[in-house]
Amino acid sequence: NAGVMQNPRHLVRRRGQEARLRCSPMKGHSHVYWYRQLPEEGLKFMVYLQKENIIDESGMPKERFSAEFPKEGPSILRIQQVVRGDSAAYFCASSSGGLTEAFFGQGTRLTVV
Amino acid sequence: QKEVEQNSGPLSVPEGAIASLNCTYSDRGSQSFFWYRQYSGKSPELIMSIYSNGDKEDGRFTAQLNKASQYVSLLIRDSQPSDSATYLCAVIPGSARQLTFGSGTQLTVLP
Repeated sequence: NAGVMQNPRHLVRRRGQEARLRCSPMKGHSHVYWYRQLPEEGLKFMVYLQKENIIDESGMPKERFSAEFPKEGPSILRIQQVVRGDSAAYFCASSSGGLTEAFFGQGTRLTVV
Repeated sequence: QKEVEQNSGPLSVPEGAIASLNCTYSDRGSQSFFWYRQYSGKSPELIMSIYSNGDKEDGRFTAQLNKASQYVSLLIRDSQPSDSATYLCAVIPGSARQLTFGSGTQLTVLP
C-alpha cells in the first residue's frame, strides 16, 4: 500500500523558469494539503484541495503560485517565474477529509539558481 | 495570537527520562489534534492523534488533551537518543478546514 508520493524529490530551476511539483495521495484519500518549509523554520500552510475543488487557499501567495487536484492524476503545485526566495522544501500531505489524520510525502526540495 | 503555540526549545533530557512536550491552541472549537515527529532533512511523520479529552497511550508515547484549558501534550517515556527530533503539534481548528501546525519543539535525548 503505497504512501504519499511526491516527485521530483529534488528540483533545480533558474530564476524566471517554472516549477511543477506533483503529489499523488495515498490510496483512498481525496484531500491534499501543500506546505512550504524554509530551513530551520516551521511548516507554512499553502493550500488545501479536494478533487476538482480548492477548499482553502489562504496561504498561497497572490501571484505566481497555483494549485490543482484534477479528477484523475496527481495534485500539482505550480510556481511560475521562480525567484531565489522560492527555494524551500515543499511537502504535501493527504487525508480522507474531514477531521482525519494526514500523512506526508517525502517532499520536493526546490533550489532556484 | 498564534493559532497553535509550542515552546521552541531546545529541550534536552537524559536517556531513559520522560520528555514532556506542550502545545496550546486558540480556537475553542477545535476537534482534532495531532503530534508529528520530524527528523532533520526529512518529512513529518504522524505519531499520535487524539480527538477527546483525556489520555491516549501508544507504546512509549502518551498524548493528553484538555479542551477546557485548550492544551495538548505529548509524553515520551524511556526517552532514547533516536527520539531526538523536532516535534510538531497540529490542530484542525473549528473555524477552518486546514491542518494548522505549531512551530515545533526541538528535543535532544542525551546518551
